[in-house]
Amino acid sequence: DAGVIQSPRHEVTEMGQEVTLRCKPISGHDYLFWYRQTMMRGLELLIYFNNNVPIDDSGMPEDRFSAKMPNASFSTLKIQPSEPRDSAVYFCASTKNGRANEKLFFGSGTQLSVL
Amino acid sequence: AQSVTQLGSHVSVSEGALVLLRCNYSSSVPPYLFWYVQYPNQGLQLLLKYTSAATLVKGINGFEAEFKKSETSFHLTKPSAHMSDAAEYFCAVSHTGRRALTFGSGTRLQVQP
Repeated sequence: DAGVIQSPRHEVTEMGQEVTLRCKPISGHDYLFWYRQTMMRGLELLIYFNNNVPIDDSGMPEDRFSAKMPNASFSTLKIQPSEPRDSAVYFCASTKNGRANEKLFFGSGTQLSVL
Repeated sequence: AQSVTQLGSHVSVSEGALVLLRCNYSSSVPPYLFWYVQYPNQGLQLLLKYTSAATLVKGINGFEAEFKKSETSFHLTKPSAHMSDAAEYFCAVSHTGRRALTFGSGTRLQVQP
């Protein structure tokens, strides 16, 4: 299995630009999570999906952030407009059943720098 | 609400020495506890997890952790550090009915030759 695939690995953009991060979960996994990692706040859950439906988006910082999952094999996290404080590593993770004791499979992350 | 606290953002040990990374949790219900490791420029990988079956949990790469309810702790240990253990380690907590993990702030482990 290829694992969770994220693209791009690195993104550098200017303040005000739109940024789209992409994620392909492991085939057969029904749950997909987006996390953000910063020095100040550590790993924070942004949103998660079950069977392509957003279940909990309470961690999305503000309206500039949006996430979609149009099908079982693809999800996007969009920031529009981007700001320097959005600079972080964004991780996508997936699990098969979403049980609380289940292992999370993480992608390698997207390092976002907003100048 | 649930949370984890990792004591020490940086830990440095010599190769061959004991590794001890501390994690204390707060949870109003029986928790599931996890340790994940993040190598440079990679995503997190599961080291081990506690799901109430046994209080001493053995994981990959020689790591183990002991769940101590009386101390609300889940410290990670390894008898002898190897250079390849240098990474960042995250403790995380969940419980039945909650889908997402809550992570600690992480501890960066350095291994000196």
